[in-house]
Amino acid sequence: AQSVTQPDIHITVSEGASLELRCNYSYGATPYLFWYVQSPGQGLQLLLKYFSGDTLVQGIKGFEAEFKRSQSSFNLRKPSVHWSDAAEYFCAVVVFSGGYNKLIFGAGTRLAVHP
Amino acid sequence: GAGVSQSPSNKVTEKGKDVELRCDPISGHTALYWYRQSLGQGLEFLIYFQGNSAPDKSGLPSDRFSAERTGGSVSTLTIQRTQQEDSAVYLCASSLDKREYNEQFFGPGTRLTVL
Repeated sequence: AQSVTQPDIHITVSEGASLELRCNYSYGATPYLFWYVQSPGQGLQLLLKYFSGDTLVQGIKGFEAEFKRSQSSFNLRKPSVHWSDAAEYFCAVVVFSGGYNKLIFGAGTRLAVHP
Repeated sequence: GAGVSQSPSNKVTEKGKDVELRCDPISGHTALYWYRQSLGQGLEFLIYFQGNSAPDKSGLPSDRFSAERTGGSVSTLTIQRTQQEDSAVYLCASSLDKREYNEQFFGPGTRLTVL
């Protein structure tokens, strides 16, 4: 069955430090992968997506992610975290079945940023 | 332009009452999705509409849940005889069409609390 695993439920980093959020997926076909961010009381905002081509994708707010097929991973990175990055981050894979697609989400990683 | 809007933003109801949650998708988006975000289950897919049709209702948690979409635009998610386990944030998303590479744009959600 298709699934997304985010091993880290909660991560705390200091402002200015680098960040890597882990995501592993299970999907039989070529995956379409997304990272979303959710700030408190807000909906989900797309950070970046991977469909094909270059395995290193750039997103908004200085985030990037690297697709590694051999590891079934799509980890999110940022070289220098800002206090405003504190939020919950969700990795998702599109599953196309029955003539339509839906997003399967990981459990999310809550990021706290210390000043 | 306007994004996806949802109303109400918060709903508190008593166990056993019926509730209606509304979603206004982005104009021109033919695909519409409902997801539920709860502490125990994370983000889970509920139902998808292409135009006014919902080809698959198997994601709805029980037969107390129903959804409709009219005019290819507004959608309503109805929960009858609400239970405490229905307490969650209900998110609506829309995309240009059903193709898997189309971004799903999310609304801010409706937080439902069943007392």
